[in-house]
Amino acid sequence: GENVEQHPSTLSVQEGDSAVIKCTYSDSASNYFPWYKQELGKGPQLIIDIRSNVGEKKDQRIAVTLNKTAKHFSLHITETQPEDSAVYFCAASIYSGYALNFGKGTSLLVTP
Amino acid sequence: DADVTQTPRNRITKTGKRIMLECSQTKGHDRMYWYRQDPGLGLRLIYYSFDVKDINKGEISDGYSVSRQAQAKFSLSLESAIPNQTALYFCATSEAGQETQYFGPGTRLLVL
Repeated sequence: GENVEQHPSTLSVQEGDSAVIKCTYSDSASNYFPWYKQELGKGPQLIIDIRSNVGEKKDQRIAVTLNKTAKHFSLHITETQPEDSAVYFCAASIYSGYALNFGKGTSLLVTP
Repeated sequence: DADVTQTPRNRITKTGKRIMLECSQTKGHDRMYWYRQDPGLGLRLIYYSFDVKDINKGEISDGYSVSRQAQAKFSLSLESAIPNQTALYFCATSEAGQETQYFGPGTRLLVL
C-alpha cells in the first residue's frame, strides 16, 4: 500500500520567517495530495491540495509543490504568524474520493 | 467543523468493555470514514463507507467494527476494549467524487 513519509516531525520558526514541510510517497499511482492543519483540540482541516497534473499551487501565504518524478511534495508557508502554530499533515490518495494515507505530522511552532 | 459531530467527546472505559463512538453529519455526504490518531503516528484509517450499503476495512480494522445506520450516521464499536486502543478517534466525510474530507472534532478514548 501507499506509504507517506513526512519531515520534519517538529519545526520551530520565528514570526515572519518561512516554514517548509516535506513529504514523500511510495505509490506512483497516487494523484491527489492534500495538506491538513490541526489546531489543538480540533479535527484536521484542509488548507491546500494539489493534483498530479499540476506542479505548484499557491493560496496567499501557503504554497504546495509537487515533483512526480521524485515522488515528493512540499508545503511552504511564508511570513509565518503565531496563529500558524499547529500540527500539519500531508496525505496522498490513489484516486478521487478514495481514503487518504497520511504522513505522521509536523508540529509547527511560530514564536513571536 | 460543526457539520460533523462526534459523541462522546471524551470517554474513559475499562478493559473488556464494549464501547460505541458515534458520528453524525449534516453535509449530505455519501462517504464516511473513521480514523485513529496516536502521537507520532499520524492518522490511520480504521473503516470507511462509500454509501449506506458499503463498508470497507482500512489499515487497522482489527478489534473494531462499524455500522452505517443511515447516510448521516456512522458508528464505530470496540467489542472488547483493550488499553492499546487508547487514542483520539476522528470521523470524516466526503462527497462522492470529491477528494476533500471534512473531519469531526474527535473523541478522546482512554481504556484502563
